[in-house]
Amino acid sequence: SQTIHQWPATLVQPVGSPLSLECTVEGTSNPNLYWYRQAAGRGLQLLFYSVGIGQISSEVPQNLSASRPQDRQFILSSKKLLLSDSGFYLCAWSGEGNQPQHFGDGTRLSIL
Amino acid sequence: RKEVEQDPGPFNVPEGATVAFNCTYSNSASQSFFWYRQDCRKEPKLLMSVYSSGNEDGRFTAQLNRASQYISLLIRDSKLSDSATYLCVVRIGNNDMRFGAGTRLTVKP
Repeated sequence: SQTIHQWPATLVQPVGSPLSLECTVEGTSNPNLYWYRQAAGRGLQLLFYSVGIGQISSEVPQNLSASRPQDRQFILSSKKLLLSDSGFYLCAWSGEGNQPQHFGDGTRLSIL
Repeated sequence: RKEVEQDPGPFNVPEGATVAFNCTYSNSASQSFFWYRQDCRKEPKLLMSVYSSGNEDGRFTAQLNRASQYISLLIRDSKLSDSATYLCVVRIGNNDMRFGAGTRLTVKP
């Protein structure tokens, strides 16, 4: 069966520091991969998605970037974090077509 | 207007009650529909897909009305473990899923 791993679970970073969150999927090939952010009490906002290695689409202009160096690895990065980058970051994967997305455990990021 | 709108909640119901959540979506080209549940400080988990003819999974029943752009979720015989936030999700394109802000449910003994 397919599993998705995301780490770390929580992270506290100072303003201006870099960021790297990692997500890996097992048990499937060529998944569609997604990064979302969820602010407190709000819906999920899609940040990036990828349909294949090296293919990244960005949904909103922001301080973050994403990379997909391997088929089942998706990385969210920032060179300099802002206070507004705080939130709950979720990685997800899906298969082709109208299949639903499945989420990792999430990373709760606090910027001080 | 938000793309996916849900009942604001919260819903506080006793065990055994029947509770219904509503959701409307604005994009008539939406392709598929889902309900997710999200426990406090956890990731969303797929509860069920929603099919045009309506579908049932145990105590849960989902309905879709494409003409009215309306989705519903009915929970019968509520359990304490049903307490969570329920997210209405609409797929607009292959990689474009829009999430409602969620409706919080608390089931009390």
